[in-house]
Amino acid sequence: AQSVSQHNHHVILSEAASLELGCNYSYGGTVNLFWYVQYPGQHLQLLLKYFSGDPLVKGIKGFEAEFIKSKFSFNLRKPSVQWSDTAEYFCAVNRVTGGGNKLTFGTGTQLKVEL
Amino acid sequence: EPEVTQTPSHQVTQMGQEVILRCVPISNHLYFYWYRQILGQKVEFLVSFYNNEISEKSEIFDDQFSVERPDGSNFTLKIRSTKLEDSAMYFCASSESPIPYNEQFFGPGTRLTVL
Repeated sequence: AQSVSQHNHHVILSEAASLELGCNYSYGGTVNLFWYVQYPGQHLQLLLKYFSGDPLVKGIKGFEAEFIKSKFSFNLRKPSVQWSDTAEYFCAVNRVTGGGNKLTFGTGTQLKVEL
Repeated sequence: EPEVTQTPSHQVTQMGQEVILRCVPISNHLYFYWYRQILGQKVEFLVSFYNNEISEKSEIFDDQFSVERPDGSNFTLKIRSTKLEDSAMYFCASSESPIPYNEQFFGPGTRLTVL
């Protein structure tokens, strides 16, 4: 069965600091990779996704993620965070074949950005 | 922008009671999902639904759970006899098609509290 690990459960940063949130998955086959964000009181929203091609994926609000197949990783980055990035961030995967569409999520990382 | 909506936002029930959680997926979407998140734990897949039948379900989705699309717009999750451990946030999601590349759009969730 596939699983997703997010190593940082709580991250506190000052505005303008750089962000990197780790995500590793375990599954030997081909996967699609996603980062979702949940702002306080709001829906889960898609930040970015990787299906194939360029392993460096750019998403909304200045976020990007890099897929490193050899490390089974899909880390999320942002060069300079803002107070409005305070939210919970979820990494998720689904299998390209044989796994249906179900998303398998990591435990989430709560990011707090301080002014 | 079209959104997935869910009602109620919060449901409190007594153990052993039946609850129905309601979702209105995005109107041109054909593939529907329920996920849940127990407080402090991962978002977990429950069930996916396509073409008026269950496509996939997790081991959590036992005989106490059922899903239905009673009309052209609603998608419901019924828990027949609630247990304390069913207390969680339940998220509905929808996607345009069953292709794994398609983004799943999430609703705001229903917080279920079983007393």
